[in-house]
Amino acid sequence: GESVGLHLPTLSVQEGDNSIINCAYSNSASDYFIWYKQESGKGPQFIIDIRSNMDKRQGQRVTVLLNKTVKHLSLQIAATQPGDSAVYFCAESEGYSTLTFGKGTMLLVSP
Amino acid sequence: GAVVSQHPSWVICKSGTSVKIECRSLDFQATTMFWYRQFPKQSLMLMATSNEGSKATYEQGVEKDKFLINHASLTLSTLTVTSAHPEDSSFYICSARDQKGNQETQYFGPGTRLLVL
Repeated sequence: GESVGLHLPTLSVQEGDNSIINCAYSNSASDYFIWYKQESGKGPQFIIDIRSNMDKRQGQRVTVLLNKTVKHLSLQIAATQPGDSAVYFCAESEGYSTLTFGKGTMLLVSP
Repeated sequence: GAVVSQHPSWVICKSGTSVKIECRSLDFQATTMFWYRQFPKQSLMLMATSNEGSKATYEQGVEKDKFLINHASLTLSTLTVTSAHPEDSSFYICSARDQKGNQETQYFGPGTRLLVL
């Protein structure tokens, strides 16, 4: 019979557009946040991280924004490329405790 | 960045057999490694924290007698799925914590896909 599966939120963009992926976290005591990229059949790949004493951090083509007031994290990817297509996970931790992963967002980039 | 490897990358086994998965940190020493499992279209779920030279810490709901973890050296942790059943089929991912000074980064392995027939 037909099975009901979970569907990841999906963001579809055109090549060259800027992408914004959002994440809401639950633990107000979390002080370390990471974005990971996971391509199909592979392990997560570190993209960028940010500590709670900052509200913005920039990397190469990526920017992470942290809003502690509303417990919101976002990842901005500039000039999105087809190679950016993947599932993106945010993760949070409190101190040096274990990471808690968000549900993930699938980014689809059309040429 | 640091490299974490896993072996095998995929394995198919019969129900009732045991499967061992290795996780190695290739260019750093990791006193702490983690084991996750991931079902299709879902997030990573932490199974256990593996500490070198001591017993692993298992998350709630994870059977420690079924998922045996050994962290015998600073670069190797193994996960053994004992008496595997079809419901154990999943993508198993390890990660290793690299600590440099007061900065810690967790690097992930490429994952091991397990299919139990």
